Amino acid sequence: EMQLVESGGGLVQPGGSLRLSCAASGLTSSDYWMTWVRQVPGMGLEWVANIKEDESEKYYLDSVKGRFTISRDNAKNSVYLQMNSLRAEDTAVYYCARGRGWIFNHWGQGTLVTVSS
Amino acid sequence: DIVMTQSPDSLAVSLGERATINCKSSQSVLSRSTNKNFLAWFQQKPGQPPKLLIYWASTRESGVPDRFSGSGSGTDFTLTISSLQAEDVAVYFCHQYYGAPLTFGGGTKVEIK
Repeated sequence: EMQLVESGGGLVQPGGSLRLSCAASGLTSSDYWMTWVRQVPGMGLEWVANIKEDESEKYYLDSVKGRFTISRDNAKNSVYLQMNSLRAEDTAVYYCARGRGWIFNHWGQGTLVTVSS
Repeated sequence: DIVMTQSPDSLAVSLGERATINCKSSQSVLSRSTNKNFLAWFQQKPGQPPKLLIYWASTRESGVPDRFSGSGSGTDFTLTISSLQAEDVAVYFCHQYYGAPLTFGGGTKVEIK
């Protein structure tokens, strides 16, 4: 079965750090753009970051620039989101997805990040 | 940033009836070079991730039932469910991938009347 599996979420204090991982199984991610999108439960979707197949292009939401870093390891079929200086407003379910270009058609189940003291 | 505005916020439709969701972008998402609209529609059911339904404004993703259709160009788009089924109860989001930051509409909740 083709799936993307996110991990690394949890409870962290404001100012803290987390590293999210997204592992692809049954499908390759190395030839595709990958993205992170977040969603406050019960609310809308917010795009966070994109990364090209060869890491030559990365794009970020303004509010996370300088705090979050997207990266990938194609040998491990994985993509990562390093999140530093976390704020309460970063609390959300974080989804990774694989895209044909920027058409993201395979999504993981998400991992919950809670930033609270 | 391209702002995506959906309407209505929610709608209730009888089984077998048509459901129509509108989406307006604050600037055109039509590429002059490719003549394609960088507009997608997603369906999200409770506890599940978003599911891609439509891309390029009107192309159905593989496996999506043909009762789902997308139309529109430039700044105005529509998702139509021609004959609502019980399994279509969900929140629907429009999404522009014309440029970063990628943005989503606020969502439209579709329920059974």
